[in-house]
Amino acid sequence: GAGVSQSPSNKVTEKGKDVELRCDPISGHTALYWYRQSLGQGLEFLIYFQGNSAPDKSGLPSDRFSAERTGGSVSTLTIQRTQQEDSAVYLCASRKFGQGAIGGYTFGSGTRLTVV
Amino acid sequence: GENVEQHPSTLSVQEGDSAVIKCTYSDSASNYFPWYKQELGKRPQLIIDIRSNVGEKKDQRIAVTLNKTAKHFSLHITETQPEDSAVYFCAASRPRSNYQLIWGAGTKLIIKP
Repeated sequence: GAGVSQSPSNKVTEKGKDVELRCDPISGHTALYWYRQSLGQGLEFLIYFQGNSAPDKSGLPSDRFSAERTGGSVSTLTIQRTQQEDSAVYLCASRKFGQGAIGGYTFGSGTRLTVV
Repeated sequence: GENVEQHPSTLSVQEGDSAVIKCTYSDSASNYFPWYKQELGKRPQLIIDIRSNVGEKKDQRIAVTLNKTAKHFSLHITETQPEDSAVYFCAASRPRSNYQLIWGAGTKLIIKP
């Protein structure tokens, strides 16, 4: 697609439920990142995928968080047993790998998650 | 550890004046420094970037300067306009980690009419 697509754009869920957030990166972008942004705060790194390499999961805040990337394209971030502190905007970004010098990320519009 | 410090956290300037946001990075091996603008409720968007082989880059009213010796880089916006109001994030490439970025905490820029 022309840009990074995320769905849903908004999600309200009850505490304790599981949620799945989806990211469809730009075609041909092999690097994919998930970030979390709480209201008025900066970007908190969660996880990074690059091609077929093992993902960098160092930013995941707890074992309730997991992510997959199937076929090197679409990624799903799963949060199990959601808590109120999980409420935030979850941003996905992708970039084209192998350009030599590093290029910028392209961000999706995010999923606003509200846990009630 | 690796980190990027960004100052100020909030900056208020009169319309038409210049704004400067500064960032300091910790690892001298960082070689790529982008700046992102995030308008309220929108996604962060790349506005300008600089690589370590140059000291300054300009694009119309915005410019970025890099001082590798001091390990700091700055965003300069001249002739500020209301549409410049946003949160600005700096970042530095994370060495030895496959093109990840280390992010500053952001600067909220307010343009006063």
